[in-house]
Amino acid sequence: DAEITQSPRHKITETGRQVTLACHQTWNHNNMFWYRQDLGHGLRLIHYSYGVQDTNKGEVSDGYSVSRSNTEDLPLTLESAASSQTSVYFCASSDSDTQYFGPGTRLTVL
Amino acid sequence: GESVGLHLPTLSVQEGDNSIINCAYSNSASDYFIWYKQESGKGPQFIIDIRSNMDKRQGQRVTVLLNKTVKHLSLQIAATQPGDSAVYFCADAGGTSYGKLTFGQGTILTVHP
Repeated sequence: DAEITQSPRHKITETGRQVTLACHQTWNHNNMFWYRQDLGHGLRLIHYSYGVQDTNKGEVSDGYSVSRSNTEDLPLTLESAASSQTSVYFCASSDSDTQYFGPGTRLTVL
Repeated sequence: GESVGLHLPTLSVQEGDNSIINCAYSNSASDYFIWYKQESGKGPQFIIDIRSNMDKRQGQRVTVLLNKTVKHLSLQIAATQPGDSAVYFCADAGGTSYGKLTFGQGTILTVHP
């Protein structure tokens, strides 16, 4: 069955380190999205992509970057992790309006 | 700006009761609406969607109602079960925001046996 996976599921890192969160989907969807979820803020869009080599900034993109070298993957990189980036991160994909979400990655920055 | 909000942050019901979760949106250009269910420790799960050319859509035990006049949608869950306990999010899309969703804060539904 087609699915969307994220790895790692849990990550603890230190301030200033570079961290990459993986997202892989097997639906062959063109659109992929990264969100962070924090109490009191709901789901906030970080970056998104409409296809290979296409990336766009969302509402909370500072400190994050993405690259899209193939259809299946959209890795999210924190260039220099900050404590404010402690959160749960969700990846999603879609071929139209309906987005399907991965299981999430809980990131803790100490 | 665009926003999707929820009237009630928490809802507690008894098993077997019907549940109604409400959502308001502000973008009059929105033409697509989705309800997601998120259980603890999991990602949001698609429940049901509706397009703006419809007023009502039914699924298995769930119904979504859309009132475009007052920019309001609701999710009705029939015969609520303990397994329905979760956070429910509404989201909207449309206008110039192709493929992007704007999410509400979420409503916590607790079902008591």
